[in-house]
Amino acid sequence: DVKVTQSSRYLVKRTGEKVFLECVQDMDHENMFWYRQDPGLGLRLIYFSYDVKMKEKGDIPEGYSVSREKKERFSLILESASTNQTSMYLCASRQQSNNYGYTFGSGTRLTVV
Amino acid sequence: DQQVKQNSPSLSVQEGRISILNCDYTNSMFDYFLWYKKYPAEGPTFLISISSIKDKNEDGRFTVFLNKSAKHLSLHIVPSQPGDSAVYFCAASFSGANNLFFGTGTRLTVIP
Repeated sequence: DVKVTQSSRYLVKRTGEKVFLECVQDMDHENMFWYRQDPGLGLRLIYFSYDVKMKEKGDIPEGYSVSREKKERFSLILESASTNQTSMYLCASRQQSNNYGYTFGSGTRLTVV
Repeated sequence: DQQVKQNSPSLSVQEGRISILNCDYTNSMFDYFLWYKKYPAEGPTFLISISSIKDKNEDGRFTVFLNKSAKHLSLHIVPSQPGDSAVYFCAASFSGANNLFFGTGTRLTVIP
């Protein structure tokens, strides 16, 4: 069964900390995505990557960066965590040839205090 | 600007009855539509999809209807079960798009 694995289910970090959220997929997918989910706002795209070392800004990239050194791994970095980055973070991947369907990870609930 | 909208943040139905979740979109380039289901503390899972060349797609208890002229789609769940209680996201895309465009979600509660 195909899988997208997010390294942490729950994280609590302090304001100003540098935070790394890791995502690994085992499906050899070219495209990977980071979303955040907030009540009333749905899923908002932070960054995506269509290949190794490639990245594109999504709708809300401010305060975030990403890294994709290997095809299977896509990391989201909060350079200096702030309380408004408290959220559920969801990683997803898809094949380049499949324009539509994503496979999501289980999510990381990040709380910044 | 929200291109995919789910105007009902929540919906409650009795077990055994029909649940109807609605979704509207503004971008006429969208040619594929999906519904995802999300339980708390889990990632969304794909439920059902429809291409713009169709107006209906059925999979067991789940049916999606597409009205292109109204830029509207709906998800029908019949009969509703307590295990269907979740947040449902509508999503849309078009050929060549980099990503899916998601709605804000509707929380469905099925009352036993």
